[in-house]
Amino acid sequence: QSVLTQPPSVSGAPGQRVTISCTGSSSNIGAASAVSWYQQLPGAAPKLLIYGNVNRPSGVPDRFSGSKSRTSASLAITGLQAEDEADYYCQSYDSSLSSVVFGGGTKLTVL
Amino acid sequence: QITLKESGPTLVKPTQTLTLTCTLSGFSLSTSGVGVGWIRQPPGKALEWLGLIYWDDDMRYSPSLQSRLTITKDTSKNQVVLTMINMDPVDTATYYCAYTSAVGPMLSIDYWGQGTLVTVSS
Repeated sequence: QSVLTQPPSVSGAPGQRVTISCTGSSSNIGAASAVSWYQQLPGAAPKLLIYGNVNRPSGVPDRFSGSKSRTSASLAITGLQAEDEADYYCQSYDSSLSSVVFGGGTKLTVL
Repeated sequence: QITLKESGPTLVKPTQTLTLTCTLSGFSLSTSGVGVGWIRQPPGKALEWLGLIYWDDDMRYSPSLQSRLTITKDTSKNQVVLTMINMDPVDTATYYCAYTSAVGPMLSIDYWGQGTLVTVSS
């Protein structure tokens, strides 16, 4: 059972907007720990999509955006494309555990 | 260009010790602020943080696994080594090494290795 909670799956049609939630607690996201998001394409290693809650590394399309509010965070993907079909993971730091923590992952299906 | 590559056995027996090596390229682990961590992912399951080592030898481990883990670095070889004792079939997973340039609450994993699948079976 993951410290950060994500929905197991989300789906959307091409061109639509989808959001993936990541719910934590007062010892991680709510404690001002930064949230990062990763995209894992089938058979590949994860790739950093968002860091510091809202920042995109160079090369990540601006269709991907992150937000954070109190003890939760969200990843939004606009203009959904077939190649966005992947697993998405949130990650933060838990001050009670003194450890990096991950969400359970969300499988995005593009209909 | 920062790259990391894991190497080691693909099959280990229960109770044995696993040793994986991460070879770094494009950066030095002697650079201030740099860390190399290990994450694993059982087949079809979520990512799990194992631990990391920083440029200054500061080491951080997952609380649930720290009694079984050791992470060391060899700066001259630009390598980081993960050792996990008393392996069990539930430890079957793809093991990733990864690069970070942030600490604690601001940590993000900027680059990932390709991963190596380790199966624990007799």
